[in-house]
Amino acid sequence: SQTIHQWPATLVQPVGSPLSLECTVEGTSNPNLYWYRQAAGRGLQLLFYSIGIDQISSEVPQNLSASRPQDRQFILSSKKLLLSDSGFYLCAWSQQGLGELFFGEGSRLTVL
Amino acid sequence: TQLLEQSPQFLSIQEGENLTVYCNSSSVFSSLQWYRQEPGEGPVLLVTVVTGGEVKKLKRLTFQFGDARKDSSLHITAAQPGDTGLYLCAGYNSGGSNYKLTFGKGTLLTVNP
Repeated sequence: SQTIHQWPATLVQPVGSPLSLECTVEGTSNPNLYWYRQAAGRGLQLLFYSIGIDQISSEVPQNLSASRPQDRQFILSSKKLLLSDSGFYLCAWSQQGLGELFFGEGSRLTVL
Repeated sequence: TQLLEQSPQFLSIQEGENLTVYCNSSSVFSSLQWYRQEPGEGPVLLVTVVTGGEVKKLKRLTFQFGDARKDSSLHITAAQPGDTGLYLCAGYNSGGSNYKLTFGKGTLLTVNP
């Protein structure tokens, strides 16, 4: 069966510090991968999605970046965090276009 | 611009009551999905609707996709405390990317015992 894991689960970082959130999918190949951000338990904002290695689409201009060093690994990064980067970050995968998304457990980031 | 508008944003009801939440857009969607999310967890898919006018039932939950594929509704019959959670609609915009799933802001439902 397929599983998705993301870490760390909780992170408290000072403004201006770097960020790295990691996400790994197991049990499938060539998944579509996603990073969403959720503020205050509300809707999900799509940040990045990737349909293959070196194929990453950015949806929102910001100080965040994403990389996909391996087929089933997706990393969300920032060189300098802002207060507005605080939120609940969710990694997800799907097997095909127009398909269901399967989400990880989420990473709660607090920037102070 | 919010592509998918959900209403109401918050809903607090008593156990046994019925409720309907709505997901509306001015855009046409290839398909529309409903997810349920509990605090501190990722959303989990409830249903996918694809055909205009389609109605799907999942126990006490009834989902409908509008004829023009621009809107959807979720009706819960005899709500129970276990139905409490954030209900999110999400869609793939017709004519857009098949990989870009856009979410509404959600309806936060509380069912009181």
